[in-house]
Amino acid sequence: QKEVEQNSGPLSVPEGAIASLNCTYSDRGSQSFFWYRQYSGKSPELIMSIYSNGDKEDGRFTAQLNKASQYVSLLIRDSQPSDSATYLCAGTISGGYNKLIFGAGTRLAVHP
Amino acid sequence: ETGVTQSPTHLIKTRGQQVTLRCSSQSGHNTVSWYQQALGQGPQFIFQYYREEENGRGNFPPRFSGLQFPNYSSELNVNALELDDSALYLCASSFTGRDEQYFGPGTRLTVT
Repeated sequence: QKEVEQNSGPLSVPEGAIASLNCTYSDRGSQSFFWYRQYSGKSPELIMSIYSNGDKEDGRFTAQLNKASQYVSLLIRDSQPSDSATYLCAGTISGGYNKLIFGAGTRLAVHP
Repeated sequence: ETGVTQSPTHLIKTRGQQVTLRCSSQSGHNTVSWYQQALGQGPQFIFQYYREEENGRGNFPPRFSGLQFPNYSSELNVNALELDDSALYLCASSFTGRDEQYFGPGTRLTVT
């Protein structure tokens, strides 16, 4: 059973701090990884994609991928109360079509 | 650019009934995937459609079926509804060869 694991949280950080969200995956053949943000009652919104080992930065967000350790992370700098949401980690399965396997999500709470 | 749209927004059905959910893909996207998201869980892959054919299926029974039309829009049909089918149903569109998937707003199905 190919899986993506996340700590369910909640992860509570003060406004302005760095939030660090982590994810591990079991399918060594997975090539592409994504972070989605989901506000309560809404659908997931794609915020970051990463395909190769290392860091990828986009504004306040940095995604990190380590394929040897089967580990993906998302850093949110200067966290704002509007960042409070559930963050879903997803990876594609190896081979064939681009089916996404999701973790259960980590709930982030940014308090003023 | 038009995003992914889904209808209806909410639906209440009785156990044993049948339901059809609809999705229009983002402009320029030719692949549609359907996911089921139970409360507190990550989305689970149901199936994917490309060129009007099923292009991969997750661990869902045959009473979950779908269609894709020449304009890339899609339908999800569920027969013999069960209480456990109550969930948020998400449609995601993508372009073949690209792994990024973009979600619609979802349809909240309640089975009583």
